[in-house]
Amino acid sequence: KNQVEQSPQSLIILEGKNCTLQCNYTVSPFSNLRWYKQDTGRGPVSLTIMTFSENTKSNGRYTATLDADTKQSSLHITASQLSDSASYICVVSAKRAGANNLFFGTGTRLTVIP
Amino acid sequence: GAVVSQHPSWVICKSGTSVKIECRSLDFQATTMFWYRQFPKQSLMLMATSNEGSKATYEQGVEKDKFLINHASLTLSTLTVTSAHPEDSSFYICSAVFLATSYNEQFFGPGTRLTVL
Repeated sequence: KNQVEQSPQSLIILEGKNCTLQCNYTVSPFSNLRWYKQDTGRGPVSLTIMTFSENTKSNGRYTATLDADTKQSSLHITASQLSDSASYICVVSAKRAGANNLFFGTGTRLTVIP
Repeated sequence: GAVVSQHPSWVICKSGTSVKIECRSLDFQATTMFWYRQFPKQSLMLMATSNEGSKATYEQGVEKDKFLINHASLTLSTLTVTSAHPEDSSFYICSAVFLATSYNEQFFGPGTRLTVL
């Protein structure tokens, strides 16, 4: 069964601290893995996209890693800011023609406090 | 970058009325758009795939007669919630596929909050 699991469900950190969010998946055949940031009441915004051959990708203070062998990904946020408070969703795309092939994690709710 | 808009951003309606939500790709053409529903503290759930010029494909458990989808042009898809009931209250998000990207990336709209009284 194609699944995407994220941990932790929620996280509270102090402003300026670093944190790491985890994503495990069983989606097959694998095409790519994406991390999205979703602010409350808004649509998801793409942070990174990684294919099978990429094991790290950065976007500013966000760095995503991918281990396609163990089917795990992480999103590391450096020097957190209050504006980082949001839900972070891991989405895995399967190689499949036709209809939508995205599998969504349930997200990690990050709260950054002053 | 590719921008997807939704209108309205929020709507409150009485039970039994119909509500139309628009999804537009502002700077690219999208032959395929998707409609999602998201309940509080849950992830996005795909409702249907909207293909320009053809009938939408609905996910299992989604009533096609209740959630009418029309994709009349390459930049516009509409979702009409017919005879809305309180249980239809949710956050509706559309996405559009940008074929010019190497990943056929989906770009999401900002969402529409529907509240049915």
